[in-house]
Amino acid sequence: EAGVAQSPRYKIIEKRQSVAFWCNPISGHATLYWYQQILGQGPKLLIQFQNNGVVDDSQLPKDRFSAERLKGVDSTLKIQPAKLEDSAVYLCASSLKIATNEKLFFGSGTQLSVL
Amino acid sequence: GQQVMQIPQYQHVQEGEDFTTYCNSSTTLSNIQWYKQRPGGHPVFLIQLVKSGEVKKQKRLTFQFGEAKKNSSLHITATQTTDVGTYFCAVSYFHNFNKFYFGSGTKLNVKP
Repeated sequence: EAGVAQSPRYKIIEKRQSVAFWCNPISGHATLYWYQQILGQGPKLLIQFQNNGVVDDSQLPKDRFSAERLKGVDSTLKIQPAKLEDSAVYLCASSLKIATNEKLFFGSGTQLSVL
Repeated sequence: GQQVMQIPQYQHVQEGEDFTTYCNSSTTLSNIQWYKQRPGGHPVFLIQLVKSGEVKKQKRLTFQFGEAKKNSSLHITATQTTDVGTYFCAVSYFHNFNKFYFGSGTKLNVKP
């Protein structure tokens, strides 16, 4: 079974530039999550999709971050413009459905460095 | 927002010694999951606990959920170098059971 695919693996940009990350969840997984993991911290949920609808985006900095999941399959997360404090690993995760007993499957992440 | 405290932040052990990490919440939890993240890797699911007082074992790993469903622990017996990594708890609450909040993690280093 293929896992969660993410690209690019690494990205280096200068502040105020734009960047986009792509995620393809495990086939058949209805729920998709984007997490931000700053070095030395636990993953922080940015946005959660159920199929192509947003379930929770309360912690997404909407002035600069946006995400979409067209057709309820793959997803993109964009930052525009980037700030120094956005340097982190952006992890995509998926689960079969929204339920209390669903485990999360994480992708390898995109490591973003903002200079 | 909800807060979950995880202690200790770091633990250095000699191979063969035991290791325990604790996850504490001030609010009753719906359930708790544990994940392991190897250096340079991504979090990988280990276990989920749902019932009050639940205890689950996976080989040398023992997971416990407190009676009040406010705390949990992960215990590793006789650590090995393959246990190196950061262990995270991820909790969910009854009012929002499909949203998981991750702790700050406990970084385990095992010296051979």
